[in-house]
Amino acid sequence: ETGVTQTPRHLVMGMTNKKSLKCEQHLGHNAMYWYKQSAKKPLELMFVYNFKEQTENNSVPSRFSPECPNSSHLFLHLHTLQPEDSALYLCASSRGDRGKNEQYFGPGTRLTVT
Amino acid sequence: AQSVTQLGSHVSVSEGALVLLRCNYSSSVPPYLFWYVQYPNQGLQLLLKYTTGATLVKGINGFEAEFKKSETSFHLTKPSAHMSDAAEYFCAVSDGQAGTALIFGKGTTLSVSS
Repeated sequence: ETGVTQTPRHLVMGMTNKKSLKCEQHLGHNAMYWYKQSAKKPLELMFVYNFKEQTENNSVPSRFSPECPNSSHLFLHLHTLQPEDSALYLCASSRGDRGKNEQYFGPGTRLTVT
Repeated sequence: AQSVTQLGSHVSVSEGALVLLRCNYSSSVPPYLFWYVQYPNQGLQLLLKYTTGATLVKGINGFEAEFKKSETSFHLTKPSAHMSDAAEYFCAVSDGQAGTALIFGKGTTLSVSS
């Protein structure tokens, strides 16, 4: 777990705010992912980056905007969110974006939208 | 397309008893299969994975899983439960192709009583 860090760990924001989530991996991986984990639902893949290039956008609303400046850092920019966006947002990384490579997860950011 | 079904959203065992968490998958190609564990307020940690080769896979913390192609199953077992095993467990499948990530099941919460 310590190989992937996420900040902040907790975030409360109003629907009109703009905030960003940060993820950093220290494992030398080249693929990074954002997942959304809501209560009673399976993990939802949001975005995939491989060598800084976005390779998948899983029909995520535009109020979520990812940014991957290099293979070690991943951001999720948030604006005009809805209460149903409250969830645990997990970042993960892997060696390559082929599904056979295990993913390493960060501890997550618990987001509450008021 | 891949899918995962975890039978039983909640499993309760006594300390020292056998742990059996069930996972069935659907895949049109040879699957890559994973089990992850999530402790409260933490990210997901890889327990074990199956890619190719030996169908009985041993993981961390005394867990193991057996890939049964004929049954499309990948059940997780541990001979003797410990209190520290109480957590949520996720089964995941992938087709191993570039640009795809993991498809997760809904999770099974394991409770261990003394």
